[in-house]
Amino acid sequence: EAGVAQSPRYKIIEKRQSVAFWCNPISGHATLYWYQQILGQGPKLLIQFQNNGVVDDSQLPKDRFSAERLKGVDSTLKIQPAKLEDSAVYLCASSLQTQGTTTGTDTQYFGPGTRLTVL
Amino acid sequence: EDQVTQSPEALRLQEGESSSLNCSYTVSGLRGLFWYRQDPGKGPEFLFTLYSAGEEKEKERLKATLTKKESFLHITAPKPEDSATYLCAVPAPSGGSYIPTFGRGTSLIVHP
Repeated sequence: EAGVAQSPRYKIIEKRQSVAFWCNPISGHATLYWYQQILGQGPKLLIQFQNNGVVDDSQLPKDRFSAERLKGVDSTLKIQPAKLEDSAVYLCASSLQTQGTTTGTDTQYFGPGTRLTVL
Repeated sequence: EDQVTQSPEALRLQEGESSSLNCSYTVSGLRGLFWYRQDPGKGPEFLFTLYSAGEEKEKERLKATLTKKESFLHITAPKPEDSATYLCAVPAPSGGSYIPTFGRGTSLIVHP
């Protein structure tokens, strides 16, 4: 079974530029998560989708970050404009969403992440 | 306020030297406590889920236990390949759903 795919793996941009990350979850997984992981810290949830609807985006800096999950499969996360403090690894994860469970409580399967450096 | 706290931040062991990692949490109505392993340059990899106090799960040299306030990841006779960052996470209530909330992790290095 193929895992969670992410691209690009690495990205270097100047501050104030825009950048987009792509994620393809495990086939059949209803829930998709985007995390920001700053060096030396644990992953911090940015946004959580169930199918193509947003379940929680309370920790997403909406003035510069946006995300969408068209057709309930692939997802993109965009930063516009980027700041120096956005330098981090952006992780995508998916979960099956077992029947009867609440979103955010299932086992998650992570992609390899995209390492973003903002200069 | 931190809802998930892991200690120690870093741990160095000699091969074969057993030890434990700690994860304490403050969320009420626990909906599972998750342990993940993260190797450098990779995403976290699922290890265990624990749901109720007294529950234990094992996988090779790892054993996870859960109490009402904390979880321990016991590593018995570790090998260099066990070197990684170990993360724990709990679902924290947010509106009608839950936000997976991670600790900062424990960086484990096992020397041969």
